Amino acid sequence: GAVVSQHPSRVICKSGTSVKIECRSLDFQATTMFWYRQFPKQSLMLMATSNEGSKATYEQGVEKDKFLINHASLTLSTLTVTSAHPEDSSFYICSASGAGTNEKLFFGSGTQLSVL
Amino acid sequence: GENVEQHPSTLSVQEGDSAVIKCTYSDSASNYFPWYKQELGKGPQLIIDIRSNVGEKKDQRIAVTLNKTAKHFSLHITETQPEDSAVYFCAASINDMRFGAGTRLTVKP
Repeated sequence: GAVVSQHPSRVICKSGTSVKIECRSLDFQATTMFWYRQFPKQSLMLMATSNEGSKATYEQGVEKDKFLINHASLTLSTLTVTSAHPEDSSFYICSASGAGTNEKLFFGSGTQLSVL
Repeated sequence: GENVEQHPSTLSVQEGDSAVIKCTYSDSASNYFPWYKQELGKGPQLIIDIRSNVGEKKDQRIAVTLNKTAKHFSLHITETQPEDSAVYFCAASINDMRFGAGTRLTVKP
């Protein structure tokens, strides 16, 4: 299947700092990327959908000024958690689909964010 | 919007036995149904999927069945092995994908 690379895998930061997570499609052009948040022992909660070159569409209840998403190229999307607080600690996962994936969705390996 | 329910939430089987996980969906227009396996601390991995024009699909020890009339689909794992232990998610999609709550499968050696 298609490969989606996500970095970093783990990040620890101080409260008030911003953290950027990268999601790259390595062998296909990702026209659409998705960002999820996952709490321990829970399902994936969709945060936002981003299409290359346009603004992300956020799910209800997700603060767009808090979680900045950029999808400037067909192989890269970034999620920036601004002014992170302990309640933002979570497992963040990206996924992507696009040309050559036959509408299938492929996931990155996830980023465990811990805000102290 | 689409609502996906998944059962059971936990499943424990003996090595070599079969495991079945069931999901129902609400939007009859959904046409794509993937299953993902997620190991601890990792992202979900696509293991098998089925489209609405097919009733059953099999890949070695894994099979998925779809009943469009009843709006439910199931994952079947035969001859389970300890390495099958993970959390499994079903999903249903038409334009965007909605996930079930997950099933934690434990295969006891």
